[in-house]
Amino acid sequence: SQQGEEDPQALSIQEGENATMNCSYKTSINNLQWYRQNSGRGLVHLILIRSNEREKHSGRLRVTLDTSKKSSSLLITASRAADTASYFCATDYNQGGKLIFGQGTELSVKP
Amino acid sequence: DTEVTQTPKHLVMGMTNKKSLKCEQHMGHRAMYWYKQKAKKPPELMFVYSYEKLSINESVPSRFSPECPNSSLLNLHLHALQPEDSALYLCASSYPRDEQFFGPGTRLTVL
Repeated sequence: SQQGEEDPQALSIQEGENATMNCSYKTSINNLQWYRQNSGRGLVHLILIRSNEREKHSGRLRVTLDTSKKSSSLLITASRAADTASYFCATDYNQGGKLIFGQGTELSVKP
Repeated sequence: DTEVTQTPKHLVMGMTNKKSLKCEQHMGHRAMYWYKQKAKKPPELMFVYSYEKLSINESVPSRFSPECPNSSLLNLHLHALQPEDSALYLCASSYPRDEQFFGPGTRLTVL
């Protein structure tokens, strides 16, 4: 299976703290993406990082990619209660648009 | 219009029923996807249509039948489903690679 892993499975923090989620994958990728899902709803694309990039920022989000370790991390700074959601990494192994999702991290941000 | 719409939002059906899920996008995307998601699990890819042709079928049982009438529409025809097919069914689109835009999903219950 090409499915990667995410950790932690669950993360509970206070508003204003930073949240870091990690994702590992199996083989060479075209790109890696992060998505957010609020309970029982559709996924929202957050950020895409290509295999030749090492770091990317979008607002309070920072994503890093280490291809030598086959891993990525998502950092959410100054978290808010509205950031409470499940976060998934998804890898594109250049297989016709197919994405393989990690198991996800459930983030809970307490006010 | 940067939205993917899905109908219905909820569907309850018996094992002998025939029903269809519908998905629509008007972003000019040329790839469309069906995913199945069980509670507390990541989305699992079912089908990919690229330029209105079925390009990926992830060994999905024949009781699920996809259809892409045109570049904006995607249907999933359901027949003789099993209770274990109860899940959130997500549609997504992309142009035709990279980030995917997801609809809100159809919550399906099979009795």
